Amino acid sequence: DVVMTQTPVSLSVSLGGQVSISCRSSQSLVHNNGNTYLSWYLQKPGQSPQLLIYKVSNRFSGISDRFSGSGSGTDFTLKISRVEPDDLGVYYCGQGTQYPYTFGAGTKLELK
Amino acid sequence: AVQLVESGGGLVQPKESLKISCAASGFTFSNAAMYWVRQAPGKGLEWVARIRTKPNNYATYYADSVKGRFTISRDDSKSMVYLQMDNLKTEDTAMYYCTAGSGSFDYWGQGVMVTVSS
Repeated sequence: DVVMTQTPVSLSVSLGGQVSISCRSSQSLVHNNGNTYLSWYLQKPGQSPQLLIYKVSNRFSGISDRFSGSGSGTDFTLKISRVEPDDLGVYYCGQGTQYPYTFGAGTKLELK
Repeated sequence: AVQLVESGGGLVQPKESLKISCAASGFTFSNAAMYWVRQAPGKGLEWVARIRTKPNNYATYYADSVKGRFTISRDDSKSMVYLQMDNLKTEDTAMYYCTAGSGSFDYWGQGVMVTVSS
């Protein structure tokens, strides 16, 4: 199975600040079709997860440009700029390249 | 707007069965791969199962933890996806989310709670 390692486990940020979350996979996430199925999700308290970024760097419909994804192969990063109160929650990376699909353990974003 | 609405959760005893359902709307259901993802209380996300579309022969895939016990199915005429869960174990206790997407989980339902306890 592809193991997804997210760091850090938690982050404290001031409103308006910027943060980065790292996600590393134990194997390359490049699919046979050339796509890299690495995505990022946010789960706000008491809510279902929501998709933020798909295929490494594509923002999902309605997602602010304050969120950006980058990376390749096995090393990926989510950056959040100008953090707002609504950004708080747990962030997960996930891979859809190889079965079984797997997720990172999550990064909790809290206010400083 | 895309909507995924799960139903059928509840409390069951170990080794019992339960079938949960998901009603989809707001997109062309027959063209979409569908998934179940679960989250145990206080824990992270775990992919459970996937079912592809008719052109892909409704192929199904499962996490090792549920293989042989869970069955995902769909009814394109009703825009419904199901998860039949047999021989339930206490470790299957979780919120179960119905999701749709391709290579990522684009849309999520509100989830349905399944509790396995004696």
